Amino acid sequence: GEDVEQSLFLSVREGDSSVINCTYTDSSSTYLYWYKQEPGAGLQLLTYIFSNMDMKQDQRLTVLLNKKDKHLSLRIADTQTGDSAIYFCAESPGTYKYIFGTGTRLKVLA
Amino acid sequence: NAGVMQNPRHLVRRRGQEARLRCSPMKGHSHVYWYRQLPEEGLKFMVYLQKENIIDESGMPKERFSAEFPKEGPSILRIQQVVRGDSAAYFCASSSDRGPYEQYFGPGTRLTVT
Repeated sequence: GEDVEQSLFLSVREGDSSVINCTYTDSSSTYLYWYKQEPGAGLQLLTYIFSNMDMKQDQRLTVLLNKKDKHLSLRIADTQTGDSAIYFCAESPGTYKYIFGTGTRLKVLA
Repeated sequence: NAGVMQNPRHLVRRRGQEARLRCSPMKGHSHVYWYRQLPEEGLKFMVYLQKENIIDESGMPKERFSAEFPKEGPSILRIQQVVRGDSAAYFCASSSDRGPYEQYFGPGTRLTVT
């Protein structure tokens, strides 16, 4: 079946890099997404990667995809307190049905 | 350019009442999706609508839940005879005709059933 797994919590010091990991099971996934949810807010699309890519970089964000292991990661360089939020990984087999993970709560310590 | 709008942001209903949640998609978007987020869980797909059409409602409970996206006005998610288990955050997303690959989410409606 379709499933997306993430660790629940991550704590880092301000200025360090954060790496948030995600594993998925659907091998037909075409797009993989990272969303950020701040307290009381909706989901903000951070970035997405097409399944034929290994890496995508966008300013402080780097997405790595290991399609063989069905593993996706989001690296945030120079993590700031404003990065504290819940980060959701989601997959889509190229359709509208996104499958979301349970989210990783990132806490940035000053 | 306003994003996806949802109202109300918070809704409290007693068991047995009806809940109506509204969603206005981003300007230029004609595809609307509803998701439900239970506490400590990820979002689960409920229903996909285009103007005046329900495309896929496979994620929606068969009873008490309905959704519409009329020609004019916002999309409505309606929950009749609410129960405590309906307490959740309901998110609406929209996308353009270019494809569902970029879904933009609203701030959500947090429904509490007492």
